Amino acid sequence: SQTIHQWPATLVQPVGSPLSLECTVEGTSNPNLYWYRQAAGRGLQLLFYSVGIGQISSEVPQNLSASRPQDRQFILSSKKLLLSDSGFYLCAWQHSNYGYTFGSGTRLTVV
Amino acid sequence: DQQVKQNSPSLSVQEGRISILNCDYTNSMFDYFLWYKKYPAEGPTFLISISSIKDKNEDGRFTVFLNKSAKHLSLHIVPSQPGDSAVYFCAAKGRNTPLVFGKGTRLSVIA
Repeated sequence: SQTIHQWPATLVQPVGSPLSLECTVEGTSNPNLYWYRQAAGRGLQLLFYSVGIGQISSEVPQNLSASRPQDRQFILSSKKLLLSDSGFYLCAWQHSNYGYTFGSGTRLTVV
Repeated sequence: DQQVKQNSPSLSVQEGRISILNCDYTNSMFDYFLWYKKYPAEGPTFLISISSIKDKNEDGRFTVFLNKSAKHLSLHIVPSQPGDSAVYFCAAKGRNTPLVFGKGTRLSVIA
């Protein structure tokens, strides 16, 4: 069966520090992968998506970047975190034409 | 520009009564609509969906209604149970485009 793993579950980082969040999918190949962020009052905002290795589409210009070094690995990064980067980050994979399954999320607090 | 709108940030309903959550969209290219349920510190989980060729889809206590001419959909939960208390996200998708989410509605079912 297919599963999605996301870590860490919680993270507290100082302003200006780097960030790396990892997401991996098991049991499928060449999935479409997505990074969303839930910030206060903003709902679920799409940040990046990828339809294959090395292919990244950015939806919102910001302080973050994404990479897909392997077929089932999707990484969200930042070189220098801002206070406004705080939020709940969710990775998802698309398992059908319209169905997404989400990971358990990472709560990032920038202090 | 918000393509999917959930104008009620919160809703309180008594146990056993009907909960009605509303969602409006602006993009006429959307052809599939989904509702996700989210508990704190967890990823959203799929609840129910509807294709644009239908106007109703029912699954147990959950029914989704779609009014294409009004670009409006609603989720009915009946009877509401305390375990239904969560944030509900409306989402919409066109072919080959990512899921777009609303800001969510926090449902509280009071015993």
